[in-house]
This record gives sequence, structure tokens and C-alpha cells, in this order.
Amino acid sequence: AQSVSQHNHHVILSEAASLELGCNYSYGGTVNLFWYVQYPGQHLQLLLKYFSGDPLVKGIKGFEAEFIKSKFSFNLRKPSVQWSDTAEYFCAVNTNAGKSTFGDGTTLTVKP
Amino acid sequence: DTAVSQTPKYLVTQMGNDKSIKCEQNLGHDTMYWYKQDSKKFLKIMFSYNNKELIINETVPNRFSPKSPDKAHLNLHINSLELGDSAVYFCASSTRQGTYEQYFGPGTRLTVT
Repeated sequence: AQSVSQHNHHVILSEAASLELGCNYSYGGTVNLFWYVQYPGQHLQLLLKYFSGDPLVKGIKGFEAEFIKSKFSFNLRKPSVQWSDTAEYFCAVNTNAGKSTFGDGTTLTVKP
Repeated sequence: DTAVSQTPKYLVTQMGNDKSIKCEQNLGHDTMYWYKQDSKKFLKIMFSYNNKELIINETVPNRFSPKSPDKAHLNLHINSLELGDSAVYFCASSTRQGTYEQYFGPGTRLTVT
């Protein structure tokens, strides 16, 4: 069965600090990978996705993620966070069968 | 225009009651989902329907019964509500082709007292 592991449960940063959130998955076949963001009191929305091609993908609001197949990882990065990035971040994996698995989420708090 | 909508947004009810949450999407997607998000923000898939047919049914008490009258709607009925059912329930939709990117509804906060 596929699974997704997010290593950091709660990350606290100051504004302008760099961010990296870890995500590892377990599944032997082809996957599509996603990062979703949930701002306080809101629903999940897509931040970025990878399904083929360049393993370095860029998303909205200056976020990017790198797919490293050999490490089964899809870490999220941002060079300089802002207070408005405070949110819950979810890594997710979809297989070709359409089954979605979400990680447990990482709470990011950015201090102004 | 709202892509995925849910009603109601808030639902407060007593233990033992039966309640329903409705979901509609206007994106033309063929697959819809129900997720439960608990107080720790953990997001767990409950059900998935493709073209009105159940394709994913995770370990969920049979008090929960989804119904999909058509591709654009997926409702969730809950019988004999329990305290542990309190959570935020999110509906989502996607296509079964391409990347399966999901679009989420605003959520329904269910509180069972």
C-alpha cells in the first residue's frame, strides 16, 4: 500500500528565512506528486504538482519542489518565507489507479 | 463561480441524530471524494466515486453512506452521529485522466454534542 511521510509536523520560521519541508512516499510504480496548502480557516488548494518531465517544479507564490526518484522524495522549498505563508502544507501522492494518499501535514508558522 | 461547493458550512447536532452534507462541482469532473480532517489536521480519504460508481471505500463505519445521484453531486449521509464524528469534512473532485489534481470544497465543520 502506498504511504506518504512528512517529517516535520510543525515548523516555526522568521520572515525571510528559507523553507524546506520534507516529503517521502512509498510506492513502486508511477506516481503523480502534489503539494497542497491550507490557509487558516480555508480549504486545501494546489500549490504545485509533478507528473513528468523536469523534476524541479515551480508553483505559486515562489514555492518549488524537487522530485528525486531514487530517494522517493518530493521536498517543498521556498527561499524566503513571508508571514502570509503561515498555513498547513500537505504532500500527496496519486497512483495511476487514481488512489490519493495525503501526508499528515506540516504546520508552518512564520513570525513577522 | 464556486467550483466545488458544500452545504452546510457548519453543522451542530446531538449524538444519535442523522445528518447529510451535500457537495456539488461545476468543473465537469468525473471523480468526487469525501475526506475527513480531524482536530489535528490529519486528512483521511473516506470515499471516492467515479461516474457515480464507488471506487474507493476506506475503513469507515457503515453509519456513513455516500450517494452520488449524478457526476456533479456526491452527498454524505451519516446515521447515529457520535462524538468522534466531529471534524471538518471536505469534498473534492478531479478527473481520472492526467494528473488527478484535486479541487477541494470549503469544508463542512461538523460538531456533535
